[in-house]
Amino acid sequence: DVKVTQSSRYLVKRTGEKVFLECVQDMDHENMFWYRQDPGLGLRLIYFSYDVKMKEKGDIPEGYSVSREKKERFSLILESASTNQTSMYLCASSLGQEVTGELFFGEGSRLTVL
Amino acid sequence: AQSVSQHNHHVILSEAASLELGCNYSYGGTVNLFWYVQYPGQHLQLLLKYFSGDPLVKGIKGFEAEFIKSKFSFNLRKPSVQWSDTAEYFCAVTSGGYNKLIFGAGTRLAVHP
Repeated sequence: DVKVTQSSRYLVKRTGEKVFLECVQDMDHENMFWYRQDPGLGLRLIYFSYDVKMKEKGDIPEGYSVSREKKERFSLILESASTNQTSMYLCASSLGQEVTGELFFGEGSRLTVL
Repeated sequence: AQSVSQHNHHVILSEAASLELGCNYSYGGTVNLFWYVQYPGQHLQLLLKYFSGDPLVKGIKGFEAEFIKSKFSFNLRKPSVQWSDTAEYFCAVTSGGYNKLIFGAGTRLAVHP
């Protein structure tokens, strides 16, 4: 089974802090994604990466950055956390360029910014 | 830009009732469509998908969905729901390559015994 592991299930941070969310997948997938999930808004794509050191902005990249130094690891960085970034963050991975539509999701990281 | 609308945010049903969840997408070209499900406390998982061919697709756990191109719709159905179907359901469509998906807002389904 594909396993996507997010390092922290729950985090509480203060406004202005730098926040790192880590995600690791064990199936050698080329693509990795960060979404945020908010009630009534569904999942919105923040960033995705299709290869090591390659990244593209999603629909809501403002206030976020990402890093992919190794194929299995994709990190989401909040340079200066704000209260409107309180959310559930979901990492996902998938195979290469062929469209299968199958994303494998982690269990999520619930971030609260005070 | 591609977008996905789900009509019902909350649905409450009794066991054995029939289910239909609405989903509409905005782009009229070639699309790939999906339904994902998130059971309480679990991660999102793929329920079913449509790429081409027969517009009626069957997924896991007795779910099916019908693609109606003229209506830009991909509604999810199940003839008889069970308590274990309580979950949040998300419709999604591909947007560009690399399996990038655009999701709808989700529908929370509660099934009462």
